Amino acid sequence: TQLLEQSPQFLSIQEGENLTVYCNSSSVFSSLQWYRQEPGEGPVLLVTVVTGGEVKKLKRLTFQFGDARKDSSLHITAAQTGDTGLYLCAGGGETSYDKVIFGPGTSLSVIP
Amino acid sequence: DVKVTQSSRYLVKRTGEKVFLECVQDMDHENMFWYRQDPGLGLRLIYFSYDVKMKEKGDIPEGYSVSREKKERFSLILESASTNQTSMYLCASSSSGAAALYEQYFGPGTRLTVT
Repeated sequence: TQLLEQSPQFLSIQEGENLTVYCNSSSVFSSLQWYRQEPGEGPVLLVTVVTGGEVKKLKRLTFQFGDARKDSSLHITAAQTGDTGLYLCAGGGETSYDKVIFGPGTSLSVIP
Repeated sequence: DVKVTQSSRYLVKRTGEKVFLECVQDMDHENMFWYRQDPGLGLRLIYFSYDVKMKEKGDIPEGYSVSREKKERFSLILESASTNQTSMYLCASSSSGAAALYEQYFGPGTRLTVT
């Protein structure tokens, strides 16, 4: 059974600080997605990483896929209050009909 | 712009009632999904569909059924609502092929309370 773990579970930081959250598994994924979910809303897709070692940047957010395609990290530079939310990673299986696996999420709170 | 809409944002139903949750996507996506999200349990897949009139059970299908008569619409049915089905219900869709299959676009969610 494929599982995704995320750490930390909760994170509270001051505006302007940097942070990194992690997504780990013992399984290989064909692709990995990151989502942000605000309270009372559905998750919004931020990025997909596909190639081992791939790095993608989205403004102040940097996403990296591990070389072995088993883990990923999300780094936020100079966090803003608008970054507050639940960050979910999700992994696609090795075949096109494998179900997407979601991690439990990291709840980020950025304090002004 | 990609859009997934759900029929209600908030719903309150009584135990034993039949409940219909509707989801519509305007992206011509082949795949549609229903999840429930509970604190501490994360997102759990209830049912999904890869094509019209086709459905597959997810991880927690008990007490639920689905219907997909048209490509853009995927309905979740609670045959006889129970209090343990109080939850946030999320609908999602994705297109087929490679990484796109796993890029899911979510609706805003329906917060269902069963009393």
